[in-house]
Amino acid sequence: GQNIDQPTEMTATEGAIVQINCTYQTSGFNGLFWYQQHAGEAPTFLSYNVLDGLEEKGRFSSFLSRSKGYSYLLLKELQMKDSASYLCAVRDRTGGSYIPTFGRGTSLIVHP
Amino acid sequence: DTGVSQNPRHKITKRGQNVTFRCDPISEHNRLYWYRQTLGQGPEFLTYFQNEAQLEKSRLLSDRFSAERPKGSFSTLEIQRTEQGDSAMYLCASSRGTGGDGELFFGEGSRLTVL
Repeated sequence: GQNIDQPTEMTATEGAIVQINCTYQTSGFNGLFWYQQHAGEAPTFLSYNVLDGLEEKGRFSSFLSRSKGYSYLLLKELQMKDSASYLCAVRDRTGGSYIPTFGRGTSLIVHP
Repeated sequence: DTGVSQNPRHKITKRGQNVTFRCDPISEHNRLYWYRQTLGQGPEFLTYFQNEAQLEKSRLLSDRFSAERPKGSFSTLEIQRTEQGDSAMYLCASSRGTGGDGELFFGEGSRLTVL
């Protein structure tokens, strides 16, 4: 299985930049996902990394280093609506199936 | 695109009763996942189907839990003899593949409260 670690909570100011880190340990890495989840709602997909490097998508970017077992999600020009939980999920190919395992999530609070 | 649909959205039951949740995935997705989520935690994997075959089941899953996906379309998750510890949000997700298109699309979830 995997051991996925991410901070429990972060706070930031509207308009600022915030970086949410995720570290993981797995024997059969097959991709890393970031999801956003607003309170009381379902998680929604933000980004996917399978190779090392940075993937940019609008205000959101995600970085992966497979050798370090490390990823981060970068949120720029923060808006109040970005207040949510951000979930890091690692997909593992052990056993022949591809099952994403989620971290506990980072609760981001954006204040004015 | 109707998305992933789950019902009921909310279920309140007494301890010891059986409950069943239904999930209708996105029609062209052959992979279907059930997760459970409690407050302040990330989704916890329960079970996985590829078409109608149940290929993975969490080792932590009690034998009171059973899931089916007849004909590889909708899926049901049944919990027998519910316990208060079963109270959680039950999330269903589907995906198209296992590569870059393997992102999970989640339903709105079925919230279970066991009294």
